[in-house]
Amino acid sequence: QQPVQSPQAVILREGEDAVINCSSSKALYSVHWYRQKHGEAPVFLMILLKGGEQKGHDKISASFNEKKQQSSLYLTASQLSYSGTYFCGTEMATNAGGTSYGKLTFGQGTILTVHP
Amino acid sequence: NAGVTQTPKFRILKIGQSMTLQCTQDMNHNYMYWYRQDPGMGLKLIYYSVGAGITDKGEVPNGYNVSRSTTEDFPLRLELAAPSQTSVYFCASSYWTIRSAKNIQYFGAGTRLSVL
Repeated sequence: QQPVQSPQAVILREGEDAVINCSSSKALYSVHWYRQKHGEAPVFLMILLKGGEQKGHDKISASFNEKKQQSSLYLTASQLSYSGTYFCGTEMATNAGGTSYGKLTFGQGTILTVHP
Repeated sequence: NAGVTQTPKFRILKIGQSMTLQCTQDMNHNYMYWYRQDPGMGLKLIYYSVGAGITDKGEVPNGYNVSRSTTEDFPLRLELAAPSQTSVYFCASSYWTIRSAKNIQYFGAGTRLSVL
């Protein structure tokens, strides 16, 4: 089942912060975040495994709340280069809580626009 | 490194024609995927493969066929093209093992297909 992303679109000025959320009605094993610029292929940002970890690099970080089956992507002090569409990809957990061998279902995307 | 290479980049088909979208990867990845992305939408999984000789259906397999005779290649066949198959097609690959269970997918540049 497709995860739900919110908001659908965000408009920022350089230096502002944003949060993008991804929710699933199914138990998840992992959540992946990708960014896609217009006319290009999606590019991997980070992966979070169940266990409630938080990860980040540079000014982009993410968290995974296993109990709520939600993940959030945090973009701080946004730059023009952050503009693009952000997708979460979710991997469902098996009945035993294990991996479903990497099969991802992607959300509908959040369009992020950063203005000077 | 070439990564994931897709050909052609663009194609226009007439209704009822057939064609094969080519995908090859040079990263020795065991998993390969085909997605379609309709305008303003997320990625939908068409077919995937966990290794040479093994393929399985994704969310939207109707009207498509795949084969995986080698680790490197994963062609997608469209039979009897229909306007509903107008989309951008992305091939992706990943290296997945039960030990790491981190399915980081690397995408090709995409094939833009119009069926008229």
